[in-house]
Amino acid sequence: EIVLTQSPGTLSLSPGERATLSCRASQSVATSYLASYLAWYQQKPGQAPRLLIYGTSTRATGIPDRFSGSGSGTDFTLTISRLEPEDFAVYYCQQYGGSPRYSFGQGTNLEIK
Amino acid sequence: QVQLVQSGAEVKKPGASVKVSCKVSGYTLAELSMHWVRQAPGKGLEWMGGFDPEDGETIYARKFQGRVTMTEDTSTDTAYMELSSLRSEDTAVYYCATARPDEMPTIYWSYWGQGTLVTVSS
Repeated sequence: EIVLTQSPGTLSLSPGERATLSCRASQSVATSYLASYLAWYQQKPGQAPRLLIYGTSTRATGIPDRFSGSGSGTDFTLTISRLEPEDFAVYYCQQYGGSPRYSFGQGTNLEIK
Repeated sequence: QVQLVQSGAEVKKPGASVKVSCKVSGYTLAELSMHWVRQAPGKGLEWMGGFDPEDGETIYARKFQGRVTMTEDTSTDTAYMELSSLRSEDTAVYYCATARPDEMPTIYWSYWGQGTLVTVSS
């Protein structure tokens, strides 16, 4: 079974700073055309998740370019280059193709310092 | 744009079943791969099941097999998720989620319903 472990559990930063969130898989994430089936979602309190990044590094429609994704194999990163006040939220990574076929990490809470 | 509108909150007793609906507009359900994700209070996201393009059929997370049934009514563009033998640990917000196949691979979910709170309590 593939397990996604996100770190840190909580990240305290100030607006304008750079955020680096990690997602580590217990085994290699499945790939297609050299891109791993790995996505990132943002969730704010009381709201549904919002897709930010898919296919490891492709931004979803309307997502600002301060969000970027990278990685391969078992190690993936979501980077927010300069934090805006609206970026403070919980972030989840999600994989496809393992066992179970779809799964999420436990989340990273990005909070204002 | 795809819009997903879910049915309202439910309160159920342990052992009962619940059926949550997800009405699609802006697209036809037949062209979408619908999935269901739940979130217990204060917890993370948990995939329950959905239409998988690799298998060409609806698949369920092992944890829910035998207890969950996901169906679709293409005449009304409405998807349903029914969970039986409810227990207190099933108290959660249940989301339907999908993506447009012309926008991205449907193994990711760019459109989500607003969520349906299911409370299981005696």
